[in-house]
Amino acid sequence: QKEVEQNSGPLSVPEGAIASLNCTYSDRGSQSFFWYRQYSGKSPELIMFIYSNGDKEDGRFTAQLNKASQYVSLLIRDSQPSDSATYLCAVNIYSGGSNYKLTFGKGTLLTVNP
Amino acid sequence: DVKVTQSSRYLVKRTGEKVFLECVQDMDHENMFWYRQDPGLGLRLIYFSYDVKMKEKGDIPEGYSVSREKKERFSLILESASTNQTSMYLCATRQGNNSPLHFGNGTRLTVT
Repeated sequence: QKEVEQNSGPLSVPEGAIASLNCTYSDRGSQSFFWYRQYSGKSPELIMFIYSNGDKEDGRFTAQLNKASQYVSLLIRDSQPSDSATYLCAVNIYSGGSNYKLTFGKGTLLTVNP
Repeated sequence: DVKVTQSSRYLVKRTGEKVFLECVQDMDHENMFWYRQDPGLGLRLIYFSYDVKMKEKGDIPEGYSVSREKKERFSLILESASTNQTSMYLCATRQGNNSPLHFGNGTRLTVT
């Protein structure tokens, strides 16, 4: 099983709709989870991070974490064309000693249609 | 704001050349990472470092080495560049294990 898995998409939603992006991970010991947005030709930029089970909201974005199901998701409300990008899920995976590496899913391409 | 600077935005090298990619951060972060990003394969971790002179192999270290002589600088070295190392290389830093990564602008390397 891959360490971090995402649906590759593309996911297409109309402007104003809710976009739902999903991610599963294999390491039950993972404690921190991140969502990044990446525009074409640019570096990833952090949108949100979540450490505890439940929901975390920041503006139009909500991250949801369920450690029992090893599942993390990102909801984007009132989607805008400017939200069109690739969304990367990243999970801290134990790598030995006291160190963790941040492992990324392959990303989901989101297109928001005007 | 964290600033992560990669020395080159675009680089073209020939097969067999030794290539150095440099990354400098200004936030005194402990951890530094090198990833490569390829279409369909996503971001893959090459090497990371959690302290000066310390390094750990990531998921795809073959053909690469790294150097961290000073806290702010983390170098990726391609000992003998090959065409399959043509890629976008991204450097990133973070303060601790549970902190988010901050990325540089990337170096697009082409090996011909």
